[in-house]
Amino acid sequence: RKEVEQDPGPFNVPEGATVAFNCTYSNSASQSFFWYRQDCRKEPKLLMSVYSSGNEDGRFTAQLNRASQYISLLIRDSKLSDSATYLCVVTALNSGYSTLTFGKGTMLLVSP
Amino acid sequence: DTGVSQNPRHKITKRGQNVTFRCDPISEHNRLYWYRQTLGQGPEFLTYFQNEAQLEKSRLLSDRFSAERPKGSFSTLEIQRTEQGDSAMYLCASSSLGIYEQYFGPGTRLTVT
Repeated sequence: RKEVEQDPGPFNVPEGATVAFNCTYSNSASQSFFWYRQDCRKEPKLLMSVYSSGNEDGRFTAQLNRASQYISLLIRDSKLSDSATYLCVVTALNSGYSTLTFGKGTMLLVSP
Repeated sequence: DTGVSQNPRHKITKRGQNVTFRCDPISEHNRLYWYRQTLGQGPEFLTYFQNEAQLEKSRLLSDRFSAERPKGSFSTLEIQRTEQGDSAMYLCASSSLGIYEQYFGPGTRLTVT
């Protein structure tokens, strides 16, 4: 089983749609959780951290379920500029530092 | 621009040649990471430095790979005797002590012909 698994994608949605990405992780010792966004041939950029209580940033809502080892990202009112690959990321604490483990990413294509 | 910078941005080399990449982290960040990303995959961890100490190396990092951070500031990643399978984007990231969020540089895209 891969450490971080995401929906394979791509997701093709019209502008204004709501889209949800799912992610599961295998390491129950994972400490922190993030969603990164990666545009084509660019570096990953931090989109948002994910907290157990859930968190929202404008049109983006992230949820974490530690018991199910499940993370989600909801994008409301999709914009053309949301087109990108969304990477689910977890960290594990190793002797006082953390390394990021990435999923393969789910590509989102928002069309007019 | 005070973000992470990497040089060169692109490198084309012939199989068997050595290549070296440089990463300059955000100035106040004492943690520096190297990742490799191939097409259709997420970035994979290669190695990690805290200040000048290399604290972790992935098993992905074969003996042909070596990384340094001699003064705890910039870092270099060298690949000796490159192989076609080394073709990838090499990403550098940095973070502050005690902070999990990592910030990535633009990457160096390596093509081995």
